[in-house]
Order: sequence, then structure tokens, then C-alpha cells
Amino acid sequence: RKEVEQDPGPFNVPEGATVAFNCTYSNSASQSFFWYRQDCRKEPKLLMSVYSSGNEDGRFTAQLNRASQYISLLIRDSKLSDSATYLCVASGNTPLVFGKGTRLSVIA
Amino acid sequence: SQTIHQWPATLVQPVGSPLSLECTVEGTSNPNLYWYRQAAGRGLQLLFYSVGIGQISSEVPQNLSASRPQDRQFILSSKKLLLSDSGFYLCAWSPSGGETDTQYFGPGTRLTVL
Repeated sequence: RKEVEQDPGPFNVPEGATVAFNCTYSNSASQSFFWYRQDCRKEPKLLMSVYSSGNEDGRFTAQLNRASQYISLLIRDSKLSDSATYLCVASGNTPLVFGKGTRLSVIA
Repeated sequence: SQTIHQWPATLVQPVGSPLSLECTVEGTSNPNLYWYRQAAGRGLQLLFYSVGIGQISSEVPQNLSASRPQDRQFILSSKKLLLSDSGFYLCAWSPSGGETDTQYFGPGTRLTVL
């Protein structure tokens, strides 16, 4: 079983749409969770940390469900510039375990 | 503020040739350092990480090696490259003691082995 699993997509959504990504993690001892964004042929960059109580940063909302071991990312009012691959990350037996990413394309 | 550098940005090497990729971090002391590889269309694979000078943990057996000769320098090497070594190599750092903290990535080296 993969440690962090994500739907690879692609998710193709129109501008202004709301889109949600989910990811599951297998290590119940994981304590730290993050969402990273990776643009084509670039390095991953931290989008936001995920806290137990859930957290919001502008149009982005992250949620953690420890009982079900999943993490979600909600993007509201999608912009063309949101097109990227979104990586779900959980701490694990190695320092951090990265999912393979979910590709988002926002279309005009 | 902290910055992380990697070079070269791109590299094309023949099979069987040696490899040396360098990563340096500025603006922090005793960082944790990581090497990842991302093959085309694949996820990030952790190759090595280091919590201090001379301390290297290997995650995947392969023909690659890593060294940390200075506090903020991390080097990835190979004596003989394979075709399967092609990929996007990323160096990252996290604060000292923060193995499960946020990692910050360098710009990466895109390696093509022919």
C-alpha cells in the first residue's frame, strides 16, 4: 500500500469553479501534513501546512481527518494561475512522504 | 532569509560517465538536507538525507552516493550513470531538528542520460 495516495487527475475546471482534492495517508503516526504546489518543470513550493483544526489561506482551505486518515484541499474561485500539480505530504517513516500529485488545469 | 542553490540547472551525460551535483544553503545553520529524484511523470523519490556533516541516510539502494563535506553543502554523486538515472534532481532543506517540518526545495537539476 502506498504511503500517500492521490487521484492523479487531471482535473479540468473552468475559471471561477470550486475544486477539491483528497489524499489518504497510511501511517497513523503521521503528525505533520502539507500541500505543495509544483508548476511544470519547476521545484515544489509549499502552499500551506494542514492543521488538525483545519486552516484557510485566502481561496485555499485545507482539512485533516485523522480518523479516516485523509487530507483535503479546497480551492475556491479558481484562477488560470492555479493550474499546477498539487502534492499531498505527510510525515512518515522517512522524514516526509510526498504523494505523486494531482494535476489541475483551469481553463478560460 | 534562507536560500538554496543547485547547479547545474541542466545536464546531459552519456551512460557510464560520472556525476556530481551540488547543493548549498545560505542563511541557516545545521540544516537537514535532502536529495530527491523525480522521474518523468512520477512522484518524488527520497534518495538521501543528512542531519549533519558526514551523516548520510540512504533511502534507496542504487548507484548513487551522497556526501556532506560542509554544514551547508550536499553533494550527489555517481561513478557510472545508467539510463534510469535520468530525471529531475531536487535538493531540499529543513530546519535543524525538524525532520518532519516543512522542506524547502532548490530549483533542481534536470539530468538526461543518453
